[in-house]
Amino acid sequence: RKEVEQDPGPFNVPEGATVAFNCTYSNSASQSFFWYRQDCRKEPKLLMSVYSSGNEDGRFTAQLNRASQYISLLIRDSKLSDSATYLCVVTPGATNKLIFGTGTLLAVQP
Amino acid sequence: DAGITQSPRHKVTETGTPVTLRCHQTENHRYMYWYRQDPGHGLRLIHYSYGVKDTDKGEVSDGYSVSRSKTEDFLLTLESATSSQTSVYFCAINRDGNYGYTFGSGTRLTVV
Repeated sequence: RKEVEQDPGPFNVPEGATVAFNCTYSNSASQSFFWYRQDCRKEPKLLMSVYSSGNEDGRFTAQLNRASQYISLLIRDSKLSDSATYLCVVTPGATNKLIFGTGTLLAVQP
Repeated sequence: DAGITQSPRHKVTETGTPVTLRCHQTENHRYMYWYRQDPGHGLRLIHYSYGVKDTDKGEVSDGYSVSRSKTEDFLLTLESATSSQTSVYFCAINRDGNYGYTFGSGTRLTVV
């Protein structure tokens, strides 16, 4: 079983739609959680950290459920520019190493 | 992001030849990492460094070595390149202290 699992998609949604991605992780000792965004043939970029209390950044909301070991990302009012691959990332315990999911591809259609 | 650069950006090499990829940072960060990215596998950690001359292996370190003689440079060497090492290689630095990484633009390596 992979340490971090994501639905690869693609998620094809119209502009303005709300879309949600989930991610599960296997190591219950994981301590830090992130969502990264990666555009085609580019490097990953940090989208947002995920906190236990949940957090929001504009149209993006991230949630963490430690009991069920999953992380979610909600994107409201999707824009064409949101089209990208979204990577779920965790740190296994008190380390500086990040473990990446394989990513979920989002395609926002006009 | 000007704080981290990778070179070369693209390279084609022959099987059996040694190859060195360079990661350079201008931010004086302690932690540096090398990842490879392949379809279906996502990003996998090859090696990382937590200071000058302090390095450790990641999950896919076989066939790779690293060196860090200066804070700003982290070198990844493929000792004898194989076709299975055809990949996109990303270097990263730990910038924010909250363990969020910043990545370089990547090196596309093709081994023929």
